[in-house]
Amino acid sequence: QVQLVQSGSELKKPGASVKVSCKGSGYTFISYPIHWVRQAPGRGLEWMGWINTSSGHPTYAQGFTGRFVLSLDTPLNTAHLQITGLEVDDSAVYYCTREVWAQGSRFDLWGQGTLVTVS
Amino acid sequence: QSVLTQPPSVSAAPGQKVTISCSGSSSNIGNNYVSWYQQFPGTAPKLLIYDNDRRPSGIPDRFSGSKSGTSATLDITGLQTGDEADYYCKTWDTSVTAGVFGGGTKLTVL
Repeated sequence: QVQLVQSGSELKKPGASVKVSCKGSGYTFISYPIHWVRQAPGRGLEWMGWINTSSGHPTYAQGFTGRFVLSLDTPLNTAHLQITGLEVDDSAVYYCTREVWAQGSRFDLWGQGTLVTVS
Repeated sequence: QSVLTQPPSVSAAPGQKVTISCSGSSSNIGNNYVSWYQQFPGTAPKLLIYDNDRRPSGIPDRFSGSKSGTSATLDITGLQTGDEADYYCKTWDTSVTAGVFGGGTKLTVL
């Protein structure tokens, strides 16, 4: 079964760090980039960045540099999002999603989301 | 504030048609393909339309997309109560080299 499975909810204190994982299965993990999307409570989707699953090279959106780190554990077909120096405003659901290219880019497969609460 | 502008909400009666707009600029919609996503509360988004007007397998033909210039549109015909959800457009913005989402539109089926 083709799927992305994310790690469970996290409750953290301000200033702490959190690492969210996203494990791909049922397909060739390194063939498709992984993107990360944030959704704050009651808000819309916000693109955070992506990681090239073949090279491991990450790219970050403006506003997600410095405290946010995208990484891979390729042997485990897993992508990670680490956030350091957590702030209350980092409280959100974080999604990983697979990117596929045809003529354009699309996100065809999504993880179930990971709720991070900073309080 | 999102780079792509969507109406916050739309509504229509069951069986009717609704149109959701997504307005951008030449650096995003004007020169890139658009995809649309459906999201029910508490669940992950789901791909509805890609490459402006293509449907993934399993998406009913009641859902259709189009693009003209710097705007894109999602049409939903034969509305059902089960279509009540949030809808997001998404594309790439070449001026900032970033993915961009619209602010989202909440569909209410009256």
